[in-house]
Amino acid sequence: KNEVEQSPQNLTAQEGEFITINCSYSVGISALHWLQQHPGGGIVSLFMLSSGKKKHGRLIATINIQEKHSSLHITASHPRDSAVYICAVQKASYGKLTFGQGTILTVHP
Amino acid sequence: EPEVTQTPSHQVTQMGQEVILRCVPISNHLYFYWYRQILGQKVEFLVSFYNNEISEKSEIFDDQFSVERPDGSNFTLKIRSTKLEDSAMYFCASSDSGQPQHFGDGTRLSIL
Repeated sequence: KNEVEQSPQNLTAQEGEFITINCSYSVGISALHWLQQHPGGGIVSLFMLSSGKKKHGRLIATINIQEKHSSLHITASHPRDSAVYICAVQKASYGKLTFGQGTILTVHP
Repeated sequence: EPEVTQTPSHQVTQMGQEVILRCVPISNHLYFYWYRQILGQKVEFLVSFYNNEISEKSEIFDDQFSVERPDGSNFTLKIRSTKLEDSAMYFCASSDSGQPQHFGDGTRLSIL
């Protein structure tokens, strides 16, 4: 069983829509990461969370430690948000990341 | 903003040959990682490195693989006797204490 599960696997939206991507994990963690991977392959860190909520521009990430669940929200989505969004967990400080399968987001104009 | 730099961006190699993938982590970072992503699959951990030694390695990281920090800036992944199934995107990452890992753009390794 995968330690990190994301849903949905694919998500299509119209420009301006509010988007939610979910992540569930089954292990104790020190932090949860949301990352973005563009078609060229490069990976960019969006958020690192250990509790509560973080916001950066139109992106919001939340985590519920008791439920072992995190969500990534994108408000007022734009075609440039089209990418793969990946949830990853870190069991120990400075430790490796364990990745989910990723959610492929396509935002149409 | 400082970046993790990986070279080459694409490496094509005959099966059985050795390859060295190179990474220049962010200069004040202390923790270094190699990950790989086989086409269509999720990113998977290979090895982490701290204080000039391996701190953790996965089952994938067998005797075929080795890592080195030959000088103060470079961090290399060597794959000996490459196999077809080694074809993947290889990512280097580095981090400072309590901070997110910063990823390079990756090296696409194609084994023929």
